[in-house]
Amino acid sequence: AQRVTQPEKLLSVFKGAPVELKCNYSYSGSPELFWYVQYSRQRLQLLLRHISRESIKGFTADLNKGETSFHLKKPFAQEEDSAMYYCALSGNTGGFKTIFGAGTRLFVKA
Amino acid sequence: EAGVAQSPRYKIIEKRQSVAFWCNPISGHATLYWYQQILGQGPKLLIQFQNNGVVDDSQLPKDRFSAERLKGVDSTLKIQPAKLEDSAVYLCASSPNYRGTTEAFFGQGTRLTVV
Repeated sequence: AQRVTQPEKLLSVFKGAPVELKCNYSYSGSPELFWYVQYSRQRLQLLLRHISRESIKGFTADLNKGETSFHLKKPFAQEEDSAMYYCALSGNTGGFKTIFGAGTRLFVKA
Repeated sequence: EAGVAQSPRYKIIEKRQSVAFWCNPISGHATLYWYQQILGQGPKLLIQFQNNGVVDDSQLPKDRFSAERLKGVDSTLKIQPAKLEDSAVYLCASSPNYRGTTEAFFGQGTRLTVV
């Protein structure tokens, strides 16, 4: 079964501290993995995707196929990073539909 | 470029009433999605269109929900009759293709409250 698990509903860190948002997935095949972000009063938007191997706003995520994980990391959190983060998976099993995890709310304290 | 447009932004109805939501995707995007997001949960895919054909509707409660995408552009999602558990934010998204390797662009959503 296809599944995306984000074990933490809330993550609170101090400004300047490292942050890691966890994402584990279950998928029979080779999925595409994404992180989406929703800032307060804004629409859901793409943050990064694993195929791009890029750093966006200081965030990076590495796909670990052995551990079926796609954790999101940033070495120094900023207050403007406070938002809701969703890990998402897409693949050709079941028609390329994109499924989302439950989300993790990141709160960066001053 | 203009983003995905949804209307209305908010809707309050009584249970057993009907409601319809409208979505206008980004111009040229072949794929359109409707998601249901219940408070505290991630978005759940209800239906996915490729142009005006349905790619996946396996999680659409077909006894009360229906959706169409006439002419492969705008889409409407209807609930008839609504239940209390349908209270959620309904998100529309579009992407250039259906293969899932490209970004999905989301609208602001319609917040439905069923009382």
